[in-house]
Order: sequence, then structure tokens, then C-alpha cells
Amino acid sequence: DAMVIQNPRYQVTQFGKPVTLSCSQTLNHNVMYWYQQKSSQAPKLLFHYYDKDFNNEADTPDNFQSRRPNTSFCFLDIRSPGLGDTAMYLCATSRGSAEAFFGQGTRLTVV
Amino acid sequence: GEDVEQSLFLSVREGDSSVINCTYTDSSSTYLYWYKQEPGAGLQLLTYIFSNMDMKQDQRLTVLLNKKDKHLSLRIADTQTGDSAIYFCAEVYGQNFVFGPGTRLSVLP
Repeated sequence: DAMVIQNPRYQVTQFGKPVTLSCSQTLNHNVMYWYQQKSSQAPKLLFHYYDKDFNNEADTPDNFQSRRPNTSFCFLDIRSPGLGDTAMYLCATSRGSAEAFFGQGTRLTVV
Repeated sequence: GEDVEQSLFLSVREGDSSVINCTYTDSSSTYLYWYKQEPGAGLQLLTYIFSNMDMKQDQRLTVLLNKKDKHLSLRIADTQTGDSAIYFCAEVYGQNFVFGPGTRLSVLP
């Protein structure tokens, strides 16, 4: 059974049109992460929630925001997507600094 | 800052052993991880090793850790075509999983 579920698996959006990606988990983990992975590159951390505490990476563009309404759900909002935001977006969860479990990813294409 | 390095490509013949190498920088990492990524999919946790261990074996997978040299390796015995994927080594820095660039393993018949 999938433990970290991302929706949708594929998303196409127009340049400048806001888009929201969702992630849910059944593991009751206290940490949730959002990573961006561009083609042939390693995943790059955008931000994470440690419980309710939001932690933004210094180089994450202002265009990217996140919400975590409860333990199980976390959203990635891209306010005005640019062509350079085309990538795979990966959600992950962990209990503290223990191993992270990843969802299947959402492949976002900005046209 | 933290940095994780891996060779980018590895080709092996089916049935041979594969050895994927990784070097990391943060000596305080408690755990080090190996993830596998198949095309178009998320990352699948393969195995991990606690920093006070030298070796961990899990079926066909053997992880070796040399803390002095900050070197981690993943050995896959009897490599199969289904093992073709990108393998990422990762260390935890603060609350951030820092990934290497990934090693693309190609298994030749």
C-alpha cells in the first residue's frame, strides 16, 4: 500500500497560471519535505515542515510556497510558474532524521 | 557546505556484481542512505547504514562504510536487468537529505 501519495502524477500548466501539488501520508511522520528534481539531476530541497514549523531553503524562489494543514497533508503552491519550473516534484516524509520515504512524484510541465 | 559525490555512470553485465561508490563531507551524519530511482518514478529507499557500522548486508545488497575516508559503497550481487536505474547516495545534514548526483546503472545482457 502506498504510504506517501502525490497527486496528480502528471500536471501541465500554462506559464503564469497558479498550480497546486498535493501530498498525503499514512505514516504519521512529523517531517514532510518538498524536493524539486530537474532532468538528470539530484533532488533539491525546496522546504520542509518539522511538525508545524516551516523551514524554507535559502535559495528557494519566492514563487514557491507550501501549506501543511494537518499531519497528513502538505501542499506545494507555485504562484506564477515559469518555464524553468518544469520538473519532477517529490514529496517525502520522515520521523525526525530517520530515513525518508518518497512519493511517486508529480511531473510538472509548464507550457 | 555539504557535498556528496558519485560517479555518474556504471555498466555491468547481467549476473556480475555492481559497485557504486559515494563520498560525502559531513562527518556528523548519523545515517547514510541509498535510494533507487526508476524512470519517471519517485525515490525508493534501498538500504541505509548507521554511522557506527562498517558493513551492512541485506540480501543482494552490501553497504560498506569507511568513516575515515568518508566513503560509502553499494554492492549489488548478481545484478539483474531490473536493477537498471539511477542510484542516489544521501547523507542527512541538519534536517536536509543531501543527495549525490546519482549513478546511472546500466545492466547489459
